Amino acid sequence: DAGVTQSPTHLIKTRGQQVTLRCSPKSGHDTVSWYQQALGQGPQFIFQYYEEEERQRGNFPDRFSGHQFPNYSSELNVNALLLGDSALYLCASSHREIKGYTFGSGTRLTVV
Amino acid sequence: EDQVTQSPEALRLQEGESSSLNCSYTVSGLRGLFWYRQDPGKGPEFLFTLYSAGEEKEKERLKATLTKKESFLHITAPKPEDSATYLCAQQETSGSRLTFGEGTQLTVNP
Repeated sequence: DAGVTQSPTHLIKTRGQQVTLRCSPKSGHDTVSWYQQALGQGPQFIFQYYEEEERQRGNFPDRFSGHQFPNYSSELNVNALLLGDSALYLCASSHREIKGYTFGSGTRLTVV
Repeated sequence: EDQVTQSPEALRLQEGESSSLNCSYTVSGLRGLFWYRQDPGKGPEFLFTLYSAGEEKEKERLKATLTKKESFLHITAPKPEDSATYLCAQQETSGSRLTFGEGTQLTVNP
């Protein structure tokens, strides 16, 4: 049973560019959350998607947007990249009836 | 703003030397207190969820406990493979987001 799958694993982008990260949730899960983890810090909540809608959002600018597809997979888009956007981006999936979260291995984004 | 504070930031132990990690949380309505283990370059791996004060859960050399404002992760007779960053996170009753602490980096020397 595959867990949470994220792609790509690593990515290097230039300031001002746009990036799209992808996440496939664990089988049976219908909710996807995205987190940003800077080096040496704990993960910070970006937003959560359920039933293809954004349900909760953390303190991130509108440059961060997302989408959830009918098969529950999700994308995170970041526009106008800044150096400070360099981080590990984690996807976590869950089922609305279950309180636990399963994390993927993340996408390491480096902005130069 | 709700916060989670973990201490110590880093901890070095000798193999077999037991210790505890602390997690203080501030949310008034706690839906769950989560503990995760994270290895370098990897995503967090789920360890425990605690729901109410007085609750305890165990897994191998780890035991997590919960009080009204704190949680402790006790490590008994640790081994080098227990070396990792341990994260705790609070989840409030009004939502499902997790608010994480900054973690405790544990190193167990053989």
